[in-house]
Amino acid sequence: GNSVTQMEGPVTLSEEAFLTINCTYTATGYPSLFWYVQYPGEGLQLLLKATKADDKGSNKGFEATYRKETTSFHLEKGSVQVSDSAVYFCALMSNQAGTALIFGKGTTLSVSS
Amino acid sequence: DAGVIQSPRHEVTEMGQEVTLRCKPISGHNSLFWYRQTMMRGLELLIYFNNNVPIDDSGMPEDRFSAKMPNASFSTLKIQPSEPRDSAVYFCASSWQGNTIYFGEGSWLTVV
Repeated sequence: GNSVTQMEGPVTLSEEAFLTINCTYTATGYPSLFWYVQYPGEGLQLLLKATKADDKGSNKGFEATYRKETTSFHLEKGSVQVSDSAVYFCALMSNQAGTALIFGKGTTLSVSS
Repeated sequence: DAGVIQSPRHEVTEMGQEVTLRCKPISGHNSLFWYRQTMMRGLELLIYFNNNVPIDDSGMPEDRFSAKMPNASFSTLKIQPSEPRDSAVYFCASSWQGNTIYFGEGSWLTVV
């Protein structure tokens, strides 16, 4: 079945450091891929998405490229801020309409000044 | 625009009591999802509905859990009787035609 594997956390960085959170997936067909972010005490917010191979999703300085050959969707940001401290979830949704998101276990990012 | 609205935001209840969580999806959305988040298991899909019909309830832990969607603008997740291991954050989410799924802010349940 479909599944998502993302790197274990926590990830601890200093402000302005480069961020990579790895995400790989297993799926049949051509799923859509997502990154969601959860700030402390809040729900999940969509950060970015990509719906087909080689698409790049981007938002708030974060980027991720849909790599079908490596079944990956790694999240990157060139310079993190303290306000980026949160839990990041990689997720996929199959290409059948009305199906649910399947999430990775989440990676906690902590950025210090 | 109003997002997905969940209630209650926080609930503390005693073991054995019935718990009802409520969700109002975004207007016009035709898919609704219930997820549970715990430290140990992360985000788990419990059940989802398309056009008010339950499609996949394989994630519902056991018979103590039930979910209904009587109309397009309302859903409930009920736990009866509740147990301490049910303590978690329960998220409702909705989408339209398989597009982006939007989450509510969650119901934080503690069973003592």
